[in-house]
Amino acid sequence: GIQVEQSPPDLILQEGANSTLRCNFSDSVNNLQWFHQNPWGQLINLFYIPSGTKQNGRLSATTVATERYSLLYISSSQTTDSGVYFCAVERLRGFKTIFGAGTRLFVKA
Amino acid sequence: KAGVTQTPRYLIKTRGQQVTLSCSPISGHRSVSWYQQTPGQGLQFLFEYFSETQRNKGNFPGRFSGRQFSNSRSEMNVSTLELGDSALYLCASGDGNTEAFFGQGTRLTVV
Repeated sequence: GIQVEQSPPDLILQEGANSTLRCNFSDSVNNLQWFHQNPWGQLINLFYIPSGTKQNGRLSATTVATERYSLLYISSSQTTDSGVYFCAVERLRGFKTIFGAGTRLFVKA
Repeated sequence: KAGVTQTPRYLIKTRGQQVTLSCSPISGHRSVSWYQQTPGQGLQFLFEYFSETQRNKGNFPGRFSGRQFSNSRSEMNVSTLELGDSALYLCASGDGNTEAFFGQGTRLTVV
């Protein structure tokens, strides 16, 4: 099956710093999403981005489908950005979403 | 527009018992997927339903089952509970082709 690798596994930032999270996948995908899991366990949608670039405030994401990777950029990080960031992919007509292991981010005040 | 609703939010069960979890998707969504999240295994796909049909299932034993009703609400059942079934169970709702939205999850503890 398709493999999803996220890096780095852990990241500690000082408030105000920028960061880039990476997601590599091993096969062509139809869907790709980035999520932020809050301390209570809920997965919050950040981006639906099977290809191209999107921006939402301090966050932006780019997926290069032909090279099988996606990047999530966090600028001017805040303590509330702490948590686990997941990349999730689905193959065309796979009807099965595969998650990466996540990047655990801690932003220090 | 209401989000994805999972009930109950928390559950404590004894080994050997069975449990049923419920998921109500966003209105208009016909796809419901279930995931198990544990510290050791991460987020793992259980099964996906679309218009009452299971379209795919993950690598879980037969003790894990699910169904979807005509109103798109879904239930998953775990029989003969084991300690290792303790996990956060997450449900996602979607149109079946694009973006999925998750509920708050049901945290199951098996003692």
